[in-house]
Amino acid sequence: GDSVTQMEGPVTLSEEAFLTINCTYTATGYPSLFWYVQYPGEGLQLLLKATKADDKGSNKGFEATYRKETTSFHLEKGSVQVSDSAVYFCALTPYNFNKFYFGSGTKLNVKP
Amino acid sequence: DVKVTQSSRYLVKRTGEKVFLECVQDMDHENMFWYRQDPGLGLRLIYFSYDVKMKEKGDIPEGYSVSREKKERFSLILESASTNQTSMYLCASSFESNTGELFFGEGSRLTVL
Repeated sequence: GDSVTQMEGPVTLSEEAFLTINCTYTATGYPSLFWYVQYPGEGLQLLLKATKADDKGSNKGFEATYRKETTSFHLEKGSVQVSDSAVYFCALTPYNFNKFYFGSGTKLNVKP
Repeated sequence: DVKVTQSSRYLVKRTGEKVFLECVQDMDHENMFWYRQDPGLGLRLIYFSYDVKMKEKGDIPEGYSVSREKKERFSLILESASTNQTSMYLCASSFESNTGELFFGEGSRLTVL
């Protein structure tokens, strides 16, 4: 069945460090891929998305590229800030958008 | 802005009690979802609904039921709460088909004693 695997956390970085959070997926067909972020005390919100192979999603300095050949959608940011401290979830949905599959989440702590 | 509102942020219930978690969205979304969020397990789908009075089981429906009598409201019901249902419950909604983006409420943290 469809599933998402993302790297275990927590990830602790200093401000301005480079961030990578790995995400790989298993799916039949051509899913859409997402990164959601959950800031402390808040609900999840969409960070970025990609709907087909080789698409690059980007938002707030974060980027992720839909790699079909490696079934991956790794999240990257060149220079993290303390305000980026949150839990990040990789997710996919099959073609009909009615079911979403989430990874286990990766907690990011950014220290000043 | 889309708003998904969950009725209670924190609840404490006793084993065997009936528990209602309410969710209301204000953007006329067709789809609504209930997830539970547990450390190390991420989000797991309990039930979803794609129309009024329609529902489909998710991955972990056991011990839960749902009700969708109006388009904007989706209720999660624990008929007889158990300690293993202590969790964070997240409601979400989306349009039937467009970008596939989910809009989440802030969550309801349920503790069953």
